Amino acid sequence: EVQLLESGGGLVQPGGSLRLSCAASGFTFSSYAMSWVRQAPGKGLEWVSGISGSGDRTYYADSVKGRFTVSRDNSKNTLYLQVNSLRAEDTAVYYCAKYGGIAVARATNWFDPWGQGTLVTVSS
Amino acid sequence: QTVVTQEPSFSVSPGGTVTLTCGLTSGSVSTTYYPSWYQQTPGQAPRTLIYSTNTRSSGVPDRFSGSILGNKAALTITGAQADDDSDYYCVLYMGNGISVFGGGTKLTVL
Repeated sequence: EVQLLESGGGLVQPGGSLRLSCAASGFTFSSYAMSWVRQAPGKGLEWVSGISGSGDRTYYADSVKGRFTVSRDNSKNTLYLQVNSLRAEDTAVYYCAKYGGIAVARATNWFDPWGQGTLVTVSS
Repeated sequence: QTVVTQEPSFSVSPGGTVTLTCGLTSGSVSTTYYPSWYQQTPGQAPRTLIYSTNTRSSGVPDRFSGSILGNKAALTITGAQADDDSDYYCVLYMGNGISVFGGGTKLTVL
């Protein structure tokens, strides 16, 4: 069974940093691109970032570019999101999800499955 | 900046048919956007329903179907059931590795 388990969320002050992790199991991790999607309280889903299966290509939403960094360790089957310079509007549940193939591309542009999410709260 | 649009809310009677749409503020949605659809109930992670316009994800009943209708992507639920009462999101591939979600549709079955 494919499983994704996020961790690393918590309460952080504005301007602070966190590293989110997503542990994957049940599939060949390096053969799939991975994504981060977030959802602010009571709001809709927002795609945040994607990374290719090898980790050599990364992509970001404009809202987080320059502040967030996605990476992966294929030897540990783990995806990461380093979130810096946090703002109140970054408060959200952060989900990791598997793309449909090894690349971030049109034909692989779906997210399945999703983890249960980890909550990041930015507040003083 | 192009925004992905969805109806904020919709209602359907049990057993009825409803079509939710996913459009663009500028331009038309086609299969080249590879639209996909997700269902989410409160407190739960999203569940994949449809990808690549019209391919059902594993385990999704065939009363869910995807298509392109006019200039929008569409999700049709035929024979709505009480547990279809959920939020539904579409996402489009915008190029250069970027995906954009619509704002979601809250579907009420009553």
